[in-house]
Amino acid sequence: SQQGEEDPQALSIQEGENATMNCSYKTSINNLQWYRQNSGRGLVHLILIRSNEREKHSGRLRVTLDTSKKSSSLLITASRAADTASYFCATAPTGANSKLTFGKGITLSVRP
Amino acid sequence: KAGVTQTPRYLIKTRGQQVTLSCSPISGHRSVSWYQQTPGQGLQFLFEYFSETQRNKGNFPGRFSGRQFSNSRSEMNVSTLELGDSALYLCASSPDPGRAGDEQFFGPGTRLTVL
Repeated sequence: SQQGEEDPQALSIQEGENATMNCSYKTSINNLQWYRQNSGRGLVHLILIRSNEREKHSGRLRVTLDTSKKSSSLLITASRAADTASYFCATAPTGANSKLTFGKGITLSVRP
Repeated sequence: KAGVTQTPRYLIKTRGQQVTLSCSPISGHRSVSWYQQTPGQGLQFLFEYFSETQRNKGNFPGRFSGRQFSNSRSEMNVSTLELGDSALYLCASSPDPGRAGDEQFFGPGTRLTVL
């Protein structure tokens, strides 16, 4: 079963605009990760934020984490057509031998 | 470093057959996880192997099995294939399984179609 739930399910924006994607989860976590998947390919790790962090940046990506609300957001600034992909949040629950649990993903379309 | 490789990339089987998929992790990575991805269910965890031992298992029937070899390469097997087994099977490796929820490095996947 999915722990993380992304919102919205699909997003269509114009090149140059910012894209904001949200993820909510249910249990305590060690960290939360965002991945990107281009059509029918493997996932690529984008960024990891630990439970004691509130915000993290990587290039045009900004991730926030609010553990009190059990939610995270991924912001892609100045989007490009090449950002068109599916984006997944994955949570690593606390506890020994915990495994990453992925949400169902957000489909982002960036129109040139 | 070479990335995670999976073979074959595409596979077509018929109901009732069995299939074996292979995954070679990034050199030095000792943990290998397998996922099934379908449009309806999304990404679902199958199992994780570390040092030839299954460390974690998802909620799949016993028809799904796996193993890991001493060189960390892993295989998964699905017996008595069903139409619903059609999916993209993804393998991922990570460097340090001692850290819960480590970053995972994914292979390109094997697209299995069951007719």
